[in-house]
Amino acid sequence: SQQGEEDPQALSIQEGENATMNCSYKTSINNLQWYRQNSGRGLVHLILIRSNEREKHSGRLRVTLDTSKKSSSLLITASRAADTASYFCATGQDNYGQNFVFGPGTRLSVLP
Amino acid sequence: DTEVTQTPKHLVMGMTNKKSLKCEQHMGHRAMYWYKQKAKKPPELMFVYSYEKLSINESVPSRFSPECPNSSLLNLHLHALQPEDSALYLCASSQGRFAGLDRMSNQPQHFGDGTRLSIL
Repeated sequence: SQQGEEDPQALSIQEGENATMNCSYKTSINNLQWYRQNSGRGLVHLILIRSNEREKHSGRLRVTLDTSKKSSSLLITASRAADTASYFCATGQDNYGQNFVFGPGTRLSVLP
Repeated sequence: DTEVTQTPKHLVMGMTNKKSLKCEQHMGHRAMYWYKQKAKKPPELMFVYSYEKLSINESVPSRFSPECPNSSLLNLHLHALQPEDSALYLCASSQGRFAGLDRMSNQPQHFGDGTRLSIL
């Protein structure tokens, strides 16, 4: 079953603009993770935000988490063509968090 | 370059063939995962190994048979696959269940670049 649901499914922006992607989930979580996948490659872990955190930064990435709304957002500032990829949120589903469920993803295109 | 190595990168096989996908990591991780990913879809969890023991099998058909010979290696044995099994198969690893007090969901997963499997 899919836990995270990303929105939008596809996003096209110009280089230098900011990109915002949203993720919603259904059950309670311990944390939420964001991953990037370039075409034909594996996923790369970007950032993890714990359920007791509201905001986290890593370089040009900013992630927010609203547990009352069961939603998270990923903001990429000053986007570059190299940011073109699919972005997925993911949550662990069982007590030990082994059962990882990914949302459907947002396909981001950054045009030069 | 990724720290999780998957071989082969591409595999084409007939429905009656038997083949194996291999995954290797040398980060000392004790949890390893197999995912299946169809085009433009998210990865779907198939199996989880924790300390070389199968801990999760997400109702995967028996034509997929995982094996974890040691803490660094993970295999996926394939037999009598169907055309709908054509997909990208991803392997991942994470520190594992007993890494301090941190549960596995708090650990980032490290992915290989996958094996692109085509069933004729």
